[in-house]
Amino acid sequence: DQQVKQNSPSLSVQEGRISILNCDYTNSMFDYFLWYKKYPAEGPTFLISISSIKDKNEDGRFTVFLNKSAKHLSLHIVPSQPGDSAVYFCAAGTSNYQLIWGAGTKLIIKP
Amino acid sequence: DTAVSQTPKYLVTQMGNDKSIKCEQNLGHDTMYWYKQDSKKFLKIMFSYNNKELIINETVPNRFSPKSPDKAHLNLHINSLELGDSAVYFCASSPLGTTLRGYTFGSGTRLTVV
Repeated sequence: DQQVKQNSPSLSVQEGRISILNCDYTNSMFDYFLWYKKYPAEGPTFLISISSIKDKNEDGRFTVFLNKSAKHLSLHIVPSQPGDSAVYFCAAGTSNYQLIWGAGTKLIIKP
Repeated sequence: DTAVSQTPKYLVTQMGNDKSIKCEQNLGHDTMYWYKQDSKKFLKIMFSYNNKELIINETVPNRFSPKSPDKAHLNLHINSLELGDSAVYFCASSPLGTTLRGYTFGSGTRLTVV
């Protein structure tokens, strides 16, 4: 039973345009959500997070939006750059600090 | 300075062997974790450990055991390796009680059982 779903295995975006990565979840008890970025042969690196009491968090080119009623969050990258090409994981957590991860979306930024 | 380091990066071994993967963090974090990334690329937690508490994912076979000689180290021992254990294993650490700050991951150990 996948509690966190990233339904798009891959996404291709033109350099300079907006990249939108989506994540859906089923457990309304999640307290916080995180996005991680992963390059090949490296571990995931923390990108941005959002508490369940907020609906938006912004950090530079990265913005995460949370729609609790729809149990949906998205990561917006504007403008997209070649270095953004990576696999992006969505993760959700509860008060016991355990994270549930999505399967990842591979983002490809085209020149 | 690597914040979370794992060794070895690659490990090829035969079925039935016993092996260990080492993990060290120099961030002063209180909690360390082991994750397994399976063939479908899902990241699944195996263990989380701080000085006081070991939390085991109940789906992890008891052939897997974490060993923590001190706060900065959490090694993973695997007994009687099976073909299905082939995967990438990630170590991670976090401050105690972290939520929004996320984890710091190592670069992974690709284990291949033949």
